[in-house]
Amino acid sequence: AQSVTQPDIHITVSEGASLELRCNYSYGATPYLFWYVQSPGQGLQLLLKYFSGDTLVQGIKGFEAEFKRSQSSFNLRKPSVHWSDAAEYFCAVGTQGGKFYFGSGTKLNVKP
Amino acid sequence: DAGVTQSPTHLIKTRGQQVTLRCSPKSGHDTVSWYQQALGQGPQFIFQYYEEEERQRGNFPDRFSGHQFPNYSSELNVNALLLGDSALYLCASSFRAGGPREQYFGPGTRLTVT
Repeated sequence: AQSVTQPDIHITVSEGASLELRCNYSYGATPYLFWYVQSPGQGLQLLLKYFSGDTLVQGIKGFEAEFKRSQSSFNLRKPSVHWSDAAEYFCAVGTQGGKFYFGSGTKLNVKP
Repeated sequence: DAGVTQSPTHLIKTRGQQVTLRCSPKSGHDTVSWYQQALGQGPQFIFQYYEEEERQRGNFPDRFSGHQFPNYSSELNVNALLLGDSALYLCASSFRAGGPREQYFGPGTRLTVT
């Protein structure tokens, strides 16, 4: 069965520090992977996506993610976090049939 | 260019009642998906509509139904509301069903069932 696991419920980093949010997925076919960000009371904004090709993908707001098939992972990274990055981040896998499966999210807190 | 819009923003209903939520997709999009996001959880896929038909469905009971109109807008209907239906309902639109198309999300409708 398809599933997405985000092992970290909460993460706190200092402003300017680097960030890595973990995502592991379970899917029997070629995964289509996404990272979304959600601010309080808001909908989800797409940060980046992986369909095929280069396993390191760049997104908006300086985020990047690396697809590692051998580890079934799609971790999100940012070299230097800004206070405005505080939000909740969701990893998702999309199936060929058009269904999306989301992880339970990681809440990012940024210390000044 | 208007993004995905949803109405109403907030809604309070009583157990046993019925509710209808509405969604207008982003301009140029023809596919609408609905999600339920309970507090502290990730979005759960309810169903997807394309060409006015339900194409994919998640693990939700028949109390959840939907409709897509010729202008691609969509409604989500929930009958016989339960307390557990309280959640943020998100609509997402994309272009063309089939495959994991990039989805754009609306701001959601917050449903509270008392």
